[in-house]
Formats: sequence, C-alpha cells, structure tokens
Amino acid sequence: EVQLVESGGGLVQPGGSLKLSCAASGFIFSDSTIYWVRQASGKGLEWVGHISSRPKNYATGYAASVRGRFTISRDDSKKMAYLQMNSLRTEDTAMYYCTRVEPTIGMDVWGQGTTVTVSS
Amino acid sequence: QPVVTQEPSVTVSPGGTVTLTCGSSTGTVTNGHYPYWFQQKRGQAPKTLIYDTNYRHSWTPARFSGSLLGGKAALTLSGAQPEDEADYFCFLYYSGDLVFGGGTKLTVL
Repeated sequence: EVQLVESGGGLVQPGGSLKLSCAASGFIFSDSTIYWVRQASGKGLEWVGHISSRPKNYATGYAASVRGRFTISRDDSKKMAYLQMNSLRTEDTAMYYCTRVEPTIGMDVWGQGTTVTVSS
Repeated sequence: QPVVTQEPSVTVSPGGTVTLTCGSSTGTVTNGHYPYWFQQKRGQAPKTLIYDTNYRHSWTPARFSGSLLGGKAALTLSGAQPEDEADYFCFLYYSGDLVFGGGTKLTVL
C-alpha cells in the first residue's frame, strides 16, 4: 500500500524553528517528487514547496510566503522527506500535508497531515 | 502571483449534475496549467480526483469528469450522491509555482 505519514508538528513560539518529516512506504520513493501543502483551520489549501527526484537534480521550489525561511530536503535511502521551518510566524499555523507526484500518474496519495501551531 | 478562482458554494440535488469551475487571473486556463481537482471531506486529508485536466485516478468514481470549459478548468459531477458533499479544490501550475483555488463547498440537497 502506498502511504505517506507526516510527523514533527507541535507548538512553537514565533521566531522559532520546527522540522517536519514525511515517511514514505509502498512505492519507489526515489522516483517521486514530494510536495508540501498546508491548510490553516477552516481555510483553503496552500502550496508550500516541493523537491524533485534525483533525475531532476533534487530541484526545489517554494511559495513566496515561505521562501528564505523554509527548506525542503529528502533522504532517498531512508524514504524520507523533510520540511525545515525557520523564523516561524503566527500565519504559518496550519495542518501540513505531504503528497507525491509520480511521473506517469501525477499527484495522487496524501498523508494525513501534522499540525503546526505558532503562538506565544 | 496569479489568483485562481472557484465558486464559493454550489448546491446540487441528489442524482443531479453540476459543474464546478476553476479560473485564472492571467487569462484562459489551458492544458499547460495541468489542472487538478481534489475532494476534501470534514476532518480528512484531501483526495486527488482529477489530474492533468481530465485523468481520473483508480479510486475516482466515473461520475466525476474533468475538462476545459469556457476558458476555465471544470469538474463535472453527473449523478450526485450524498457522499459527494464536500469541499472541492483545484490548482493550476504556473511555471514551477502551484496556486490553489479557494475551494467550492458542494452541498447535495
């Protein structure tokens, strides 16, 4: 079964840091591009960023709202992707999801999400 | 930053047909925007229904179809079921950036 499981969410003060993880199973992780998407409570979905596969040189992309503060990385040997979040703001409070894009079937499976709360 | 627009709310009768749309502030939506459609029920993660304009995943009921219509991406639900009541989001691809629409709350009533 193809599965993605996020972890690492929690409560952090403004200006703090947090690192989220996305654990993959049931598929060839190294072939996939991994996306991070967030959703504030009661709001819509927002693309955070993505990291491509090795054939695409692990290229990354970030939304303007997080560029320079968030960094996405991956460890194909561990089938893990990460979202390092620095200089957190109250507006970063959200559920964070990871999802994959396969070359032939596009974006399909999503994780269940992990909650990040930025508050003093 | 482009803005992607969706109807805030739509109501459909059980068994009825409804079309949700996804427009772009930059102009006509094309296949080059690789439109996606997602369904999200309360308390659940999003579920991908349609990718690259009109391709269904294996779990997507055949009553859902995607297309380009009147300069927008469209999601048509033919034969609405009570379990289709949910929020529906689209996104469009803009040269490396993804922009989601604000979502449509679909009520089956």
